[in-house]
Amino acid sequence: AQSVTQPDIHITVSEGASLELRCNYSYGATPYLFWYVQSPGQGLQLLLKYFSGDTLVQGIKGFEAEFKRSQSSFNLRKPSVHWSDAAEYFCAVGAPNQAGTALIFGKGTTLSVSS
Amino acid sequence: NAGVTQTPKFRVLKTGQSMTLLCAQDMNHEYMYWYRQDPGMGLRLIHYSVGEGTTAKGEVPDGYNVSRLKKQNFLLGLESAAPSQTSVYFCATSPGPVFGYTFGSGTRLTVV
Repeated sequence: AQSVTQPDIHITVSEGASLELRCNYSYGATPYLFWYVQSPGQGLQLLLKYFSGDTLVQGIKGFEAEFKRSQSSFNLRKPSVHWSDAAEYFCAVGAPNQAGTALIFGKGTTLSVSS
Repeated sequence: NAGVTQTPKFRVLKTGQSMTLLCAQDMNHEYMYWYRQDPGMGLRLIHYSVGEGTTAKGEVPDGYNVSRLKKQNFLLGLESAAPSQTSVYFCATSPGPVFGYTFGSGTRLTVV
């Protein structure tokens, strides 16, 4: 069965510092992979996605993620964090070529940004 | 272009009462989903639909029913609300698996 693990429940980084949020998945083949961000009281917004090709994908708001098949990981990175990046981040996995199959979400990582 | 609209945004119910949450989309997406979000639990799938007139159970379907009579609307019903159904409910839509989801802004439901 598919599963997604986000090992870090809460991370605090200083403004201007780099960020890496971890995501590990369990799936028999290469899944579709997504990162979403949720600001307080808001819905979830898609940051980036991977489904094939270049393993380093660029997203909105200066985020990027790297798919590593050997480690079953899809970690999210940002070179310099801004205070507005404080939010909850969710990694999700989907089954390729199975139309309608729902995404499986990790439990989320809360990012706090200190000044 | 409203995208995905959820109504209501907030609701307080008494135990045993019923209610319906509405998700409306104007993007002509085929697939629609209902999730609930609880602290420390992430998002858990309640029910989903792969097209007009179809519904299927997700991970946590007990106590909920759904209907998709029109392509643009996906309704989530609670027949007899319980305190365990206190949660934030999100609707999501998708045109296909490679695209990911577009989410509504959520419904915060409290059952007392």
